[in-house]
Amino acid sequence: DGGITQSPKYLFRKEGQNVTLSCEQNLNHDAMYWYRQDPGQGLRLIYYSQIVNDFQKGDIAEGYSVSREKKESFPLTVTSAQKNPTAFYLCASSPSWSSYNEQFFGPGTRLTVL
Amino acid sequence: GQQLNQSPQSMFIQEGEDVSMNCTSSSIFNTWLWYKQEPGEGPVLLIALYKAGELTSNGRLTAQFGITRKDSFLNISASIPSDVGIYFCAGQLEHDFGNEKLTFGTGTRLTIIP
Repeated sequence: DGGITQSPKYLFRKEGQNVTLSCEQNLNHDAMYWYRQDPGQGLRLIYYSQIVNDFQKGDIAEGYSVSREKKESFPLTVTSAQKNPTAFYLCASSPSWSSYNEQFFGPGTRLTVL
Repeated sequence: GQQLNQSPQSMFIQEGEDVSMNCTSSSIFNTWLWYKQEPGEGPVLLIALYKAGELTSNGRLTAQFGITRKDSFLNISASIPSDVGIYFCAGQLEHDFGNEKLTFGTGTRLTIIP
């Protein structure tokens, strides 16, 4: 089945540790996105990538890093520089730039810093 | 980053009632999307709207792209228990066309009272 997978579903880390969240899609979509969701708030864009080997900062990129070495994969690293990393992280993808940007979401990863 | 004004923030209704929610902005949008998110899951795309005045239905859901291109609304008719969740609007700003970014509303939480 085509879709977007995120792993793990739940992730715990200690303060000061970096952690990498996985996002894979087999929809042949060009663009991929990472969002952060906090209780009572909408989705905030962390990073996005329109093509392989290229990505742009979103609205809240500080303390995060990404890579886009393959079309299907867009991992997000939450670094120790991120001051408040506990949140629900959502990955999304969308078809080529000529579309009207319908984004499709993965199931999310809930990160908790202990 | 800019966020859309989505209202109401929450709704408590009885099964069988109709529901109406909307998103407004001072900016012009090219696309309006409506998503539903259930607890602990990623948002699921319900309806996509591409031009001003467009009215689109998906079962008991109906959404419209405002004629001014600055707003959109979503109606749910004859609500049922599985309609419970958070509904998000999202739009592609006119000036974001081509860079594939979406702007999200803060969500409307729908609760059905037994």
